[in-house]
Amino acid sequence: AQSVTQLGSHVSVSEGALVLLRCNYSSSVPPYLFWYVQYPNQGLQLLLKYTTGATLVKGINGFEAEFKKSETSFHLTKPSAHMSDAAEYFCAVSNPNTGNQFYFGTGTSLTVIP
Amino acid sequence: EPEVTQTPSHQVTQMGQEVILRCVPISNHLYFYWYRQILGQKVEFLVSFYNNEISEKSEIFDDQFSVERPDGSNFTLKIRSTKLEDSAMYFCASSEAGSGLGAEAFFGQGTRLTVV
Repeated sequence: AQSVTQLGSHVSVSEGALVLLRCNYSSSVPPYLFWYVQYPNQGLQLLLKYTTGATLVKGINGFEAEFKKSETSFHLTKPSAHMSDAAEYFCAVSNPNTGNQFYFGTGTSLTVIP
Repeated sequence: EPEVTQTPSHQVTQMGQEVILRCVPISNHLYFYWYRQILGQKVEFLVSFYNNEISEKSEIFDDQFSVERPDGSNFTLKIRSTKLEDSAMYFCASSEAGSGLGAEAFFGQGTRLTVV
């Protein structure tokens, strides 16, 4: 069975500081991995995804994430936080070749302090 | 840019009433999903739909719920006899290919359902 753990339901960073949002997964096979962002009163928007190939993936708005199989992790980073990054971030996985659903983590609320 | 659209944006209904949440997926997408998010909680999978039938459903998706693609564009979620605990944000999503192929889902803005 698939599961996703996001450590830290709330993360605060200063504007300009590094953003690190953690995601660990549990899966019997290496899953496909996704990060979504949800701005207040809006739907979920894809930031980036990993399927195969290069383990460091770059997404929109300067975010990137690295798939580390040995650590079963897919942490999201951004070198310099911007006020507009304040939002809820969700890590999600899907199971290659089987099933038809995405499994979401509980989300991390990012606050950017000016 | 193509997007998933959901109507209404907010629905208030009395307990026991039926509601229909509507979605227009992206036109060339073949897979459709409903998720819900109770305030302050995680995004929960309800159901996925492909080739005019349900492909997966969660434990939440009991006989109270049904989905339909009545025409070539709409995808609806019906909740019969709503309960207070059905109050949540309901998200529709669509994808070009199945999640098992690594395709991402595109989400709508959501319908906030409030059961009173």
